[in-house]
Amino acid sequence: NAGVTQTPKFQVLKTGQSMTLQCAQDMNHNSMYWYRQDPGMGLRLIYYSASEGTTDKGEVPNGYNVSRLNKREFSLRLESAAPSQTSVYFCASRRTAGYGYTFGSGTRLTVV
Amino acid sequence: SQELEQSPQSLIVQEGKNLTINCTSSKTLYGLYWYKQKYGEGLIFLMMLQKGGEEKSHEKITAKLDEKKQQSSLHITASQPSHAGIYLCGADRLAQGGSEKLVFGKGTKLTVNP
Repeated sequence: NAGVTQTPKFQVLKTGQSMTLQCAQDMNHNSMYWYRQDPGMGLRLIYYSASEGTTDKGEVPNGYNVSRLNKREFSLRLESAAPSQTSVYFCASRRTAGYGYTFGSGTRLTVV
Repeated sequence: SQELEQSPQSLIVQEGKNLTINCTSSKTLYGLYWYKQKYGEGLIFLMMLQKGGEEKSHEKITAKLDEKKQQSSLHITASQPSHAGIYLCGADRLAQGGSEKLVFGKGTKLTVNP
């Protein structure tokens, strides 16, 4: 099925470890986004990529880096994980302005 | 800062009752989105509104955007347990370079008791 695929679905990290969350879409969408969701906070934008080759900071970028590897893939990296980064991470994509956003099923990350 | 205010934060209704969730912005809403999220799952797209006064319906759910494009409401008629979940409103915001980003309210948790 066409859509946004996130891997892994679950991950447990120790404080200080690094990891990369992967996101891929097969809808030929131009824009891609990374969000984190915490209880009572809604979804907060971490980074986004309006088009291939560009990335910009969102509301909560500290502690994260991103790479728009190609038009399909947008990865989120935690260089040194902290317990405050325990969250559910969602990736989304969008064709262009005026169109809706499609979300992945999420990655549940726990940092101990 | 939270650009979108959702109310109420949580709502408990009896099956069969109607309910309304509101989403308010201090800035003009150019693209307003409603999503539903089942506990522990991803976001399901419900509706997108762009024009002042626009109204869309799908099954028993109706979403409206006011004429001033600063407030949207989501109305559920004759609620069912399957309507339970978290409802999120999101809005397009212009970002650097003219691109757009989607920002969200904190969500409304809906419980429907049988």
